[in-house]
Amino acid sequence: GAVVSQHPSWVICKSGTSVKIECRSLDFQATTMFWYRQFPKQSLMLMATSNEGSKATYEQGVEKDKFLINHASLTLSTLTVTSAHPEDSSFYICSAPGRIGGANVLTFGAGSRLTVL
Amino acid sequence: DAKTTQPPSMDCAEGRAANLPCNHSTISGNEYVYWYRQIHSQGPQYIIHGLKNNETNEMASLIITEDRKSSTLILPHATLRDTAVYYCIVRTPTGNQFYFGTGTSLTVIP
Repeated sequence: GAVVSQHPSWVICKSGTSVKIECRSLDFQATTMFWYRQFPKQSLMLMATSNEGSKATYEQGVEKDKFLINHASLTLSTLTVTSAHPEDSSFYICSAPGRIGGANVLTFGAGSRLTVL
Repeated sequence: DAKTTQPPSMDCAEGRAANLPCNHSTISGNEYVYWYRQIHSQGPQYIIHGLKNNETNEMASLIITEDRKSSTLILPHATLRDTAVYYCIVRTPTGNQFYFGTGTSLTVIP
């Protein structure tokens, strides 16, 4: 089945630095990928849609200059948290769509936990 | 996409069937019902989806009412590893974005 890999799984950084998270579709191509953020004991919040070869589409309220998304190839999307601050500490999860039974189904990565000191 | 309502938490005895309800009274005719679950500190896992008919796969069964305003996910023999947050999502089959609600936190008790 479809597999989505994220790296790193855990990252700790100092306030003011930038952190890059990679999302790869391992055995399929994805022209679109999705990035979610999840705070403790809360649900997943869709941040943005990553589009291969074009600009990402951000959900309302998500700062595009803060969360840079690049979808450079059909198997790789990256999320860069720029000038990270403690409030950016969160669980970031990516996903890519596939098809099952005629409907779009998302496959999710294992997530990347960011802690900003 | 239609909004869903789920109970915030449920308990189930190990080995028994877990029945997780979802209300989606504003569902449109072309919208599917999807179920995902998220085990603590992991990415969500796809379980099952359906449109009108009841569906079954190796993980679970999905029962959709005739008026499609509600559905139930059934885990036939719950194990401790089924402890997770279960999300019911309603959306069109061709759209890509999935918006998650608050889900149901299922605890399987030994």
